[in-house]
This record gives sequence, structure tokens and C-alpha cells, in this order.
Amino acid sequence: DTGVSQDPRHKITKRGQNVTFRCDPISEHNRLYWYRQTLGQGPEFLTYFQNEAQLEKSRLLSDRFSAERPKGSFSTLEIQRTEQGDSAMYLCASSLKGDTQYFGPGTRLTVL
Amino acid sequence: AQTVTQSQPEMSVQEAETVTLSCTYDTSESDYYLFWYKQPPSRQMILVIRQEAYKQQNATENRFSVNFQKAAKSFSLKISDSQLGDAAMYFCAYRGDSNYQLIWGAGTKLIIKP
Repeated sequence: DTGVSQDPRHKITKRGQNVTFRCDPISEHNRLYWYRQTLGQGPEFLTYFQNEAQLEKSRLLSDRFSAERPKGSFSTLEIQRTEQGDSAMYLCASSLKGDTQYFGPGTRLTVL
Repeated sequence: AQTVTQSQPEMSVQEAETVTLSCTYDTSESDYYLFWYKQPPSRQMILVIRQEAYKQQNATENRFSVNFQKAAKSFSLKISDSQLGDAAMYFCAYRGDSNYQLIWGAGTKLIIKP
């Protein structure tokens, strides 16, 4: 069990560019979650998957955000036309069914 | 809607002493789960302890224990024999039985004084 991994760990981009983050959950975990955390705040839920199905999306997830989990394994989170307000830490977590969520190290996004 | 409140932005404790972090929550659900996570500087979120609401017994994990008061909707974390490695942001989180997203408090920064 290698834990949840995320790539890249840091991303600096210019406003208006598209970025994509990847999350690899703990093997055999069927649920995968994305959260966003801004400095000094607790995380905010974005979306979650059960296997390959995206079951819930937060109102925070605007049309510029899209997430996928093909084949129920790794997941990607894409942000199109990035804005400075998108600067945050993007956290991925996974769980077995509805059990405890285990987190990855996060991807820190800076939009210039 | 459920909310989680951590009223202590920062706490400090002398090494080897005991400290209690506070958390209150609001919900109309009867079945739910509560968690304390630890986030060291520039490191990932780590589960400290979890509590199922249907269990009356308070959860304990080594030096970490909780005081769960369901009627008062209070869920405090006690850290005994504080160690330098305990320095981190501590987040209280709630998860309803029918909803898998975690709802988080704003966090408490714990400082350990050597």
C-alpha cells in the first residue's frame, strides 16, 4: 500500500492557461474525492467518484472545472482558463466504500 | 446545512503537557462520523482519530482521545504528553451517514513549546 499520490506537487501557470492534475488513489479504494484548500482555511469539497461514476459535485465546481476517473482507477482534475482565484492547494483523498478518507500530499497551484 | 466550528485559531502548550482542542458542529442528522485530522507544515493531511456518533464510548488512539458530547454537539481532542512532532494544524471534520463529503472546520494551529 503506497498511499494516495498526486502529480504534480506544484504548478505555476499564467492566467488563462489550462492545467491538469492527477491523483492515484490507494489500490482497491473505490471512492475518490477532490477538495480545495486555500491558505489558512479548512478544505472545501469539490467532487467525488464511486468507481468511475462522478456522483456529487459542489457548487464550487464551475464550468471551468472538470474531473474524470476513467476505469475507476486514477483521476484527473482539469481547470480551464485559470484565474488568480483558482490559486490553492488541491487535495485528493480515497476511501474504501464510505470509510475513512486518506489524503494525498496535494497539488499547490499558483496562478500568476 | 451542516457546519463545523473551531473557535481556537491557535493554541500553544509546553512539551509533555496536555492540551485540548475544541470543535462544535451543527447537524440535524442522527447518524454521522466525526474526525480529527492533522496537517503538519507543507505536509499532507493525516487522520488522527475518528468517532462514530452511534458509539457512546469516546475514541482513543494512544496519546490522543476525544470527548464526544452528542447532545451538546461537541467533539474536543485531547493530546496528552505533547511532543514536538505534534505541532501542526488540526482540523475537525464531519461526515453525514448518507453523504460522503467531509465538512471541515477552519483549523487550530497547535504550537509546542520546548
